[in-house]
Amino acid sequence: GQQVMQIPQYQHVQEGEDFTTYCNSSTTLSNIQWYKQRPGGHPVFLIQLVKSGEVKKQKRLTFQFGEAKKNSSLHITATQTTDVGTYFCAGQGAQKLVFGQGTRLTINP
Amino acid sequence: GAGVSQSPSNKVTEKGKDVELRCDPISGHTALYWYRQSLGQGLEFLIYFQGNSAPDKSGLPSDRFSAERTGGSVSTLTIQRTQQEDSAVYLCASSLFGQATYEQYFGPGTRLTVT
Repeated sequence: GQQVMQIPQYQHVQEGEDFTTYCNSSTTLSNIQWYKQRPGGHPVFLIQLVKSGEVKKQKRLTFQFGEAKKNSSLHITATQTTDVGTYFCAGQGAQKLVFGQGTRLTINP
Repeated sequence: GAGVSQSPSNKVTEKGKDVELRCDPISGHTALYWYRQSLGQGLEFLIYFQGNSAPDKSGLPSDRFSAERTGGSVSTLTIQRTQQEDSAVYLCASSLFGQATYEQYFGPGTRLTVT
């Protein structure tokens, strides 16, 4: 069945450093969504990418969807302590949305 | 407006007992999802409802797990004869429609501890 893999599983950075998490699917995706889960909280929708090669930005966050629509990335520029949390990608394959295992970001202030 | 709500927020139960977890989705959302999240882990899909029917139950880990949805709204997840490995946070999410192009809104979860 469809699998969505995320790397790295954990990432620790110094405040101000950049951070990137990568998402790879075993099958071509119709779209990909990104969610953020703060410690102790629940996942919250960030963005959806639909088009091949699409790039979207939200302030310091940059989301990309690969040309083949099988991979995606989230890049955070100059991390802040408020960026702490787990970032999940979720890819739509044939029918349902499949979540990756998430990347947990911790930040040293 | 109101978001997705879940109850109870915390549940401690003894091994072997049955538990019921409740989810109230956002009004008007036709799709409802249950996930399980163990400590520090990702989201494990359990079941998906479109209206009152469940076209995808593929994630239910065993026949001890069941779920229903009534009136196209409230859903309950029942775990019979709980085991310690059932301890996790159970998250419910809803979306406007069942197609995966719609974002999912998550509830705060129910933390289940089986002693």
